[in-house]
Parts: sequence; structure tokens; C-alpha cells
Amino acid sequence: GAGVSQSPSNKVTEKGKDVELRCDPISGHTALYWYRQSLGQGLEFLIYFQGNSAPDKSGLPSDRFSAERTGGSVSTLTIQRTQQEDSAVYLCASSQPSGNTIYFGEGSWLTVV
Amino acid sequence: AQTVTQSQPEMSVQEAETVTLSCTYDTSESDYYLFWYKQPPSRQMILVIRQEAYKQQNATENRFSVNFQKAAKSFSLKISDSQLGDAAMYFCAYNFNTPLVFGKGTRLSVIA
Repeated sequence: GAGVSQSPSNKVTEKGKDVELRCDPISGHTALYWYRQSLGQGLEFLIYFQGNSAPDKSGLPSDRFSAERTGGSVSTLTIQRTQQEDSAVYLCASSQPSGNTIYFGEGSWLTVV
Repeated sequence: AQTVTQSQPEMSVQEAETVTLSCTYDTSESDYYLFWYKQPPSRQMILVIRQEAYKQQNATENRFSVNFQKAAKSFSLKISDSQLGDAAMYFCAYNFNTPLVFGKGTRLSVIA
């Protein structure tokens, strides 16, 4: 597509429920990134994919968080047993294989009540 | 580990005036990339300007320019002729073979 697409745009969920956030990168971009941004804060790195593999998962905050990428394209970030501190904007970004500039989607705003 | 520091949580500027946002970083690498991103209330992160560390010339994009001081590890953003649409959060970021590392951001207000 023309840009990085994320869905849902907004999600309100009850504490303890599982949520899935989807990211569709720019066509041809092999690198894909997930970041988290809490209210009024900077961006916290979560995980990075090169193709379908994740060489860097260092930012995942707990084992309730997981992500996968299939076909070198769409990625899903799953949060199990959501907690209130998981409330944040989850931003996805992608870049070309040899590129250093990453392009962001509009984010998925997650609210856990 | 690389770190990026933005020491100004908030800044304001009068419309049509010039403002400079500060950024410092820490790295042991010699060839890397630096970026400024803008995040308006829509949440979309928009690339403003990009600097390659091996280039001595400061990057410029229309009203936006940087002052890149490699020895001092400083990378400030200058916005000239500020416009109301420039009001946003601005994030400085560093990259060297790793995902971008971001500063905590500077909120810029533009006063009409």
C-alpha cells in the first residue's frame, strides 16, 4: 500500500482480555518495527522483524506480549491478559532492506478498562 | 547503549519567528544516522529531516535545518518562519544497524 496501515485505530478492552493489533507495512519493506507510546511519553521499542524473523525482541515488556509476521508482510502484535498499564498507542513502522529511514503508521490506541 | 536526550520538554515560538530544538546523543560509532520526526495530535509520526553522520554538511528541508556537531554529539533542529501547523511533538532519533532510538520529545507550541 501507499503507507503503513494499522488496525484497529482505537480499541477499548476489559482488563484480562486478549487483544490483537495488526500492521500492514509499505509494499517492498522487509523490516518492520513495533513501538509503544504511553500518554505524553516517548517511543518505547518493542520488537523488530527482518522478513519473518525477529532478530530483536528485547523490548517486549513481558511474556504476555508476542508478535509474529507472516509472508514477510503483515504483522500481528498480541497482548494476552491485558492490564491497565498496557494502555498506550502502539505504533508500527517499516523500512526498505537497506534503508535507515522508517515510516510510521497512524498507530492503534489501546485503552484497557 | 545508545541514548538520545532532548532537554526541552516544552518550547514555544511566535508565528513567523525562528525556534531551535536541542538534541544530544551518546554513541561510540562513527557512521550513523540521525532524524527528527514530528508528531501532530493525529499521532502520525512524520519524518522532518535526516542526517548522515559521515556528511559534514548540515541537512536542510525547506524551513527546517539542522546544526549537526559530530564531536559534541549534538543535533539541533531549527525551524524558520514558524507556522501554526508546526505545532506538534518533535522527536530526535538515532540509528546504527538497530531500530531507532528516540528521545522523549519536545512539545512545540506556536503562538499566533
